[in-house]
Amino acid sequence: DIQMTQSPSSVSASVGDTVTITCRASQVISNWLAWYQQPPGKAPQLLIFPSSTLQTGVPSRFSGSGSGTDFTLTISSLQPEDFATYYCQQSNSFPYTFGQGTKLQIK
Amino acid sequence: QVHLQESGPGLVKASGTLSLTCTVSGVSVSSNNYYWSWIRQPPGKELEWIGNIYYTGSTNYNPSLRRRVSISLDTSENQFYLILTSMTAADAAVYYCARDTFYQSGRLDPWGQGTLVTVSS
Repeated sequence: DIQMTQSPSSVSASVGDTVTITCRASQVISNWLAWYQQPPGKAPQLLIFPSSTLQTGVPSRFSGSGSGTDFTLTISSLQPEDFATYYCQQSNSFPYTFGQGTKLQIK
Repeated sequence: QVHLQESGPGLVKASGTLSLTCTVSGVSVSSNNYYWSWIRQPPGKELEWIGNIYYTGSTNYNPSLRRRVSISLDTSENQFYLILTSMTAADAAVYYCARDTFYQSGRLDPWGQGTLVTVSS
């Protein structure tokens, strides 16, 4: 299985800040990388797939980049509704695997 | 608008079998454009992909669960199903169903709201 490693595991930030989350794959996955946002007690919601393509309806303050093994999710000008847990997920090969999550907390 | 909804027992006995249903609306499970996936999340832990099914009945499973899992679908009901046998405490989780895109596989969207499954001893 491909291992996905996210960092940091948690981060504190203020409204208006910019935050970057990284995700590293244990082997090359081309650009087959998705990012999800999971608010507390809710289901994950797709933000970006593949790698840098923002999904319809997702605010432009979210952006993704990377290919191969290293990827980043950047959230600029943080809004109150952005404080949630973020997961990366690879789909280069079965089984799909997820990172351990990054919890974005209000400072 | 596409909507998925999980249903099934919230409590399963250890060594028993979990059976969950995902009811889909707004799109047909017989579409050749999509896979239909199950994912789970133990409390406070990360997401784990369980497997998926294509309208032909072809399945892909996580090797960690392959001996115990079965996914099927019913086009007449527009539903797909998860069966997980030999349940243990480690299988307690919120179980989600989600649509996956066949031609860009891995694009899990949308998800159901999830159903919490507890395992009793």
